[in-house]
Amino acid sequence: QKEVEQNSGPLSVPEGAIASLNCTYSDRGSQSFFWYRQYSGKSPELIMFIYSNGDKEDGRFTAQLNKASQYVSLLIRDSQPSDSATYLCAVNTGANNLFFGTGTRLTVIP
Amino acid sequence: DAGVTQSPTHLIKTRGQQVTLRCSPKSGHDTVSWYQQALGQGPQFIFQYYEEEERQRGNFPDRFSGHQFPNYSSELNVNALLLGDSALYLCASSKYRTSMDQYFGPGTRLLVL
Repeated sequence: QKEVEQNSGPLSVPEGAIASLNCTYSDRGSQSFFWYRQYSGKSPELIMFIYSNGDKEDGRFTAQLNKASQYVSLLIRDSQPSDSATYLCAVNTGANNLFFGTGTRLTVIP
Repeated sequence: DAGVTQSPTHLIKTRGQQVTLRCSPKSGHDTVSWYQQALGQGPQFIFQYYEEEERQRGNFPDRFSGHQFPNYSSELNVNALLLGDSALYLCASSKYRTSMDQYFGPGTRLLVL
């Protein structure tokens, strides 16, 4: 059974702070890892993906992957109220479909 | 560049009825995956189509079926609707075996009464 676990939150951070979102996965064969943002009533929007161990930065977002610990995280620097959304972690085991966690709801307080 | 489109946006059906949802992939993409997202949950993989064939299937009953057309667009059919089929149905497109990232359409919200 492939499982992706996320803390459902809600996670509240003040505007300008760093938001840290975490995700663990059970399948060691997982090959690629994705973070999606989903606003209420909308569809998921791809933020970034990571394949290799280490950090990957894209603007205010940094994805971190540790395959040995089966752990992936997303850091959002200088958080803005517009970042308030549910963040979905997704894992691709190589079969070209995605397994999603239940998402972490983030609230950025002005 | 057109993104992924889905129709209809909303749908209300009653138990036992059948429904067809439609999806057009992003330009340049040839693979369509369908997901079901229940309220408060993450999307769950239903199946994936490439070259007009179902390539992979998640843990969904045979009531869920699909089709892909030569222009890469796709349909999701659900027969004998149950109350539990009420959800947001998402279509995602990608380029087969070239890129792992998938882009989602706006979804179809299905309510079964």
